[in-house]
Amino acid sequence: AQSVTQLDSQVPVFEEAPVELRCNYSSSVSVYLFWYVQYPNQGLQLLLKYLSGSTLVKGINGFEAEFNKSQTSFHLRKPSVHISDTAEYFCAVTPLSGGYNKLIFGAGTRLAVHP
Amino acid sequence: GAGVSQSPSNKVTEKGKDVELRCDPISGHTALYWYRQSLGQGLEFLIYFQGNSAPDKSGLPSDRFSAERTGGSVSTLTIQRTQQEDSAVYLCASTEGSNGYTFGSGTRLTVV
Repeated sequence: AQSVTQLDSQVPVFEEAPVELRCNYSSSVSVYLFWYVQYPNQGLQLLLKYLSGSTLVKGINGFEAEFNKSQTSFHLRKPSVHISDTAEYFCAVTPLSGGYNKLIFGAGTRLAVHP
Repeated sequence: GAGVSQSPSNKVTEKGKDVELRCDPISGHTALYWYRQSLGQGLEFLIYFQGNSAPDKSGLPSDRFSAERTGGSVSTLTIQRTQQEDSAVYLCASTEGSNGYTFGSGTRLTVV
């Protein structure tokens, strides 16, 4: 079975500051990793995903994440945030094997960007 | 269609009534998932369909919840005898392969 821990439930940050949202996972098998963003009253939008290859993944809106297998982490970063980045961010995993599999989500991190 | 479509976008129902929530996946996607997001909570897996295989119902919270998927496309999630704790946003996702899940905008269910 897999589990995902998002270490911060809320992250306040000032506009134009850098931000890191932390995600750790547990799994006995290799996994695919994802970050999704949810703006108020909207569904989930894929920010980025790690499937294989380079451990540094670049996504939309200037976000990037680094897969660290030894630390079982997939932290999300942005060097300079905007007010419009205020949203809920979810880390998720799914196992590589076995065909189609459900996504296992973390509890989410609420990013609040202040002027 | 271009994305996953869910209807209605909002539903207010009286406690004890039955509700049906609809999901139209992306054309050609063989896997379809339902999740529930309660206020201030993460996403809770409910059920998933993949092709003609038996659905994985392991996440359904009670026997008041059921879902079907007709013709390998549209899915309906039915909640019978709704309770206030059923109030949540119900999200549907579809995928072709494990590397890309597309979510709909959700149905916000309020049980009064």
